[in-house]
Amino acid sequence: GDSVTQMEGPVTLSEEAFLTINCTYTATGYPSLFWYVQYPGEGLQLLLKATKADDKGSNKGFEATYRKETTSFHLEKGSVQVSDSAVYFCALVHGNTPLVFGKGTRLSVIA
Amino acid sequence: EAQVTQNPRYLITVTGKKLTVTCSQNMNHEYMSWYRQDPGLGLRQIYYSMNVEVTDKGDVPEGYKVSRKEKRNFPLILESPSPNQTSLYFCASSSIRRNTEAFFGQGTRLTVV
Repeated sequence: GDSVTQMEGPVTLSEEAFLTINCTYTATGYPSLFWYVQYPGEGLQLLLKATKADDKGSNKGFEATYRKETTSFHLEKGSVQVSDSAVYFCALVHGNTPLVFGKGTRLSVIA
Repeated sequence: EAQVTQNPRYLITVTGKKLTVTCSQNMNHEYMSWYRQDPGLGLRQIYYSMNVEVTDKGDVPEGYKVSRKEKRNFPLILESPSPNQTSLYFCASSSIRRNTEAFFGQGTRLTVV
């Protein structure tokens, strides 16, 4: 079945550092790919998405490109802030099937 | 405002005492689901519903029940809670149109002692 694998955390970075969180997926056909973010004490909210190969999703300075050839959707940000500290989930959906999540990566950004 | 509302946000209960966590959405979404979140295990789906009166088991359904009598509501029922059901629970909803994102509630932190 479909699956999502993302890098283990936690990830600790200094403010203004470059962030990459790796995400790869296994799915038949052409799923849509998502990054969700969970700030402390809150539910998950959509950060960005891409629905077809080579699409780039972007929001709040974060970007991820749908790479079908490598089945990847890595999350990047050029300069992280303390306020970016959160848990990040990569996910996919395939037609009408339920969302499939990765296990989440906790990011801590220190000043 | 589009939202998914869960209640309660926090709950401490004793083993065996039946409880219900409510979930309501105002977006007319067909699809609703329940997840639990545990450290090191990520999000695991408990049950989901594709529409009114249609429910299916997710990855970890044991010890839980759900019902979908109305489109907007999808309560999670623990008939006889046990300590291993201590967790953070999330309700989510989405349209069944292809490849759309899900909207999540704020979460319910349940402790069973």
